[in-house]
Amino acid sequence: DQQVKQNSPSLSVQEGRISILNCDYTNSMFDYFLWYKKYPAEGPTFLISISSIKDKNEDGRFTVFLNKSAKHLSLHIVPSQPGDSAVYFCAASGMTTDSWGKFQFGAGTQVVVTP
Amino acid sequence: DAGITQSPRHKVTETGTPVTLRCHQTENHRYMYWYRQDPGHGLRLIHYSYGVKDTDKGEVSDGYSVSRSKTEDFLLTLESATSSQTSVYFCAISGGTSGTQETQYFGPGTRLLVL
Repeated sequence: DQQVKQNSPSLSVQEGRISILNCDYTNSMFDYFLWYKKYPAEGPTFLISISSIKDKNEDGRFTVFLNKSAKHLSLHIVPSQPGDSAVYFCAASGMTTDSWGKFQFGAGTQVVVTP
Repeated sequence: DAGITQSPRHKVTETGTPVTLRCHQTENHRYMYWYRQDPGHGLRLIHYSYGVKDTDKGEVSDGYSVSRSKTEDFLLTLESATSSQTSVYFCAISGGTSGTQETQYFGPGTRLLVL
């Protein structure tokens, strides 16, 4: 069973507008979340993270929101740029010794930013 | 960018053939991981290492073995390749001098086709 789900396989957004990517998880023990961006034929690159002690984390154009009660997180990209066209993965991990570092990944969302 | 290389970058092999993939890092990171990426599944953890000669299984370890004889190298072996192991394989590292596991940095990937 996938414990991390990205239910939108694709998203098309106009340049300059906001991109909102969603991620849901089922394991209440997950405490640490990451977003990665992946271009074709390259490895994923780290974008932004958030831990359960926060509900929001910002880094430039990227903001991640965490709603623990709903087991939901989202990534906002504002404004969207053509270079943001990529596949975005969310990942989750627990903070216990046994689970730390063992990330569960969602299936990814393909973002296309159009001019 | 973290110094991570993977070799080979592409490989075609036949069913039943042993295959070894290599991950090499120049960052002196403690933790190393092997993932596979398949459509609809995101990235799934195969094996990971928390130090030289210290390894453990991930979510999809059946049919794979690993070895880590020195900090910089983490080898993934398919003892007898099957068509279900056709995938893109990514190595990741984490845990610099601070010893934390947080963000994982990925290599460029190896595309493996088993005929």
